[in-house]
Amino acid sequence: QKEVEQNSGPLSVPEGAIASLNCTYSDRGSQSFFWYRQYSGKSPELIMFIYSNGDKEDGRFTAQLNKASQYVSLLIRDSQPSDSATYLCAVNPGQIRGYQKVTFGIGTKLQVIP
Amino acid sequence: DVKVTQSSRYLVKRTGEKVFLECVQDMDHENMFWYRQDPGLGLRLIYFSYDVKMKEKGDIPEGYSVSREKKERFSLILESASTNQTSMYLCASSFRARDTEAFFGQGTRLTVV
Repeated sequence: QKEVEQNSGPLSVPEGAIASLNCTYSDRGSQSFFWYRQYSGKSPELIMFIYSNGDKEDGRFTAQLNKASQYVSLLIRDSQPSDSATYLCAVNPGQIRGYQKVTFGIGTKLQVIP
Repeated sequence: DVKVTQSSRYLVKRTGEKVFLECVQDMDHENMFWYRQDPGLGLRLIYFSYDVKMKEKGDIPEGYSVSREKKERFSLILESASTNQTSMYLCASSFRARDTEAFFGQGTRLTVV
């Protein structure tokens, strides 16, 4: 079983709809969770991160954690064509010698249809 | 703005060549990372460094080595390039403190022929 799993997509949503992206993780002790956005041909950039103690909202983006089921989700409200990108989920199981061994999923490609 | 700069955007090398990929960051980050990204496999960690001259193997270190002689610079070395090392290589850096984000360079598309 992969440590971090995502459906590669593409996930297609109409403009203005809610896009829901999900990620499951295998390490029950994971402490923090990151969502990166990667436009085609570009490098990943962080859009949200949450700790194991709660959800987070930032503008049109909401990250939610379900610890019991070991999945984290990213909701994008009022989706825009500019949101079309690949969304990478990353999970931090904890520190090893001061290093956070973050593991990335393969990413979900989101297409927002005008 | 944080800047992580990779020396080349595109590289074409021949099988058996020694290849150097350079990465420089300007944020005084302790941690630096090298990943490769392949379709269907996502980002995979090759090596990371948490301090000058310190390095740790990631998930796929075979065929690669690294060097970190200065805090701001982290080099990835392919000792003898092979076609299965054709990939997108991404460098990243971060502070050592818990849960800080990683900043990525623009990537180097390496093709080994």
